[in-house]
Amino acid sequence: QKEVEQDPGPLSVPEGAIVSLNCTYSNSAFQYFMWYRQYSRKGPELLMYTYSSGNKEDGRFTAQVDKSSKYISLFIRDSQPSDSATYLCAMMQSNFGNEKLTFGTGTRLTIIP
Amino acid sequence: DGGITQSPKYLFRKEGQNVTLSCEQNLNHDAMYWYRQDPGQGLRLIYYSQIVNDFQKGDIAEGYSVSREKKESFPLTVTSAQKNPTAFYLCASSPRRPGWGTDTQYFGPGTRLTVL
Repeated sequence: QKEVEQDPGPLSVPEGAIVSLNCTYSNSAFQYFMWYRQYSRKGPELLMYTYSSGNKEDGRFTAQVDKSSKYISLFIRDSQPSDSATYLCAMMQSNFGNEKLTFGTGTRLTIIP
Repeated sequence: DGGITQSPKYLFRKEGQNVTLSCEQNLNHDAMYWYRQDPGQGLRLIYYSQIVNDFQKGDIAEGYSVSREKKESFPLTVTSAQKNPTAFYLCASSPRRPGWGTDTQYFGPGTRLTVL
């Protein structure tokens, strides 16, 4: 079993819809959670960075962490064609001493105009 | 303009040849990383370095080598011992905040290596 599981998609939604992207994980030591957006043939770009459980909002993006269920989500409101990309979740145990990130495989998202 | 640069963007290599991928950052980050990305497998860590003149193997270091002679630079050599080198290679860096260890990672644009 992989430490981080992410549905690879592809996921297609109409423009303006709310998108929900999810990852589950098995290692309860993960405390720091990230979402990256990667356009085709480009490097990943950091979207959201959260610590422990709770919600964090940034514009149209909301990151949600439920440590009790080992489940994280990224919500995109009012989705735009420019949101079409692959979304990678990532997590790490601590930010002191063991800084390796563990990534999900990515979900490919297409927003249909 | 701060950021991470990788060169070249595309690289072609014949079997049996070594090739070196460049990664430079001007963000004053202490830590640097190399990942390999293959379809359906996510990012896998090859090597990482927390400080100049020191580096550690990641999960798939066999067939690769690195050096860290300068804070700004972390080149990756793909040797002929790497059995399946065709992939998208990503370099990343992260800052180190006193008392907090390293922060999250920021990525370069990547180098696509194809072995002919």
